[in-house]
Amino acid sequence: NAGVTQTPKFQVLKTGQSMTLQCAQDMNHEYMSWYRQDPGMGLRLIHYSVGAGITDQGEVPNGYNVSRSTTEDFPLRLLSAAPSQTSVYFCASSYSSGGADEQFFGPGTRLTVL
Amino acid sequence: AQSVSQHNHHVILSEAASLELGCNYSYGGTVNLFWYVQYPGQHLQLLLKYFSGDPLVKGIKGFEAEFIKSKFSFNLRKPSVQWSDTAEYFCAVNEPYGGATNKLIFGTGTLLAVQP
Repeated sequence: NAGVTQTPKFQVLKTGQSMTLQCAQDMNHEYMSWYRQDPGMGLRLIHYSVGAGITDQGEVPNGYNVSRSTTEDFPLRLLSAAPSQTSVYFCASSYSSGGADEQFFGPGTRLTVL
Repeated sequence: AQSVSQHNHHVILSEAASLELGCNYSYGGTVNLFWYVQYPGQHLQLLLKYFSGDPLVKGIKGFEAEFIKSKFSFNLRKPSVQWSDTAEYFCAVNEPYGGATNKLIFGTGTLLAVQP
């Protein structure tokens, strides 16, 4: 049971490039989400999904796209990278979207945009 | 909109000192409350959570937190810290009704350094 996995661990992009951050979970969790972590700002929700085929925006969705074609995978796409997107990105999942469930976090992807 | 405030950004303690980290949230309705910890180089993991019942919640590694509804607070405590408690601590809240209720709002975090 690998839990929540994320790839890559580190990435450097140039402004304007696009890329996809991968997230997968093997716990058959219904709910998945993406956060970004910036110094002094905690974690902020980018997008979330309550099940395959269903996604919605979080607090800071601009510049990011998501899809959820399977229960296991929830990739995050940067459409045209900007320096403001330099951050650490965490994927998380929980059994349901019921509110009291523990969220399990992946190890993070550290992204630098030059 | 819901917001979470953590009053201490950096805390430095000696081993065996007592710890209390403050957390306040803004929304006055029913909420679920969480404390997560991020040890150096590791991902976030749950320390404890409150969703109903006894307002004094015990978590892993000797941590506890008290939910005080009248003060909108959920402070984290540990009677005697160890060097291994050095980490960043995040308070988080969600509102259990309406839509995708597992949307967590995080505080800005408190960096705890415990000196041996």
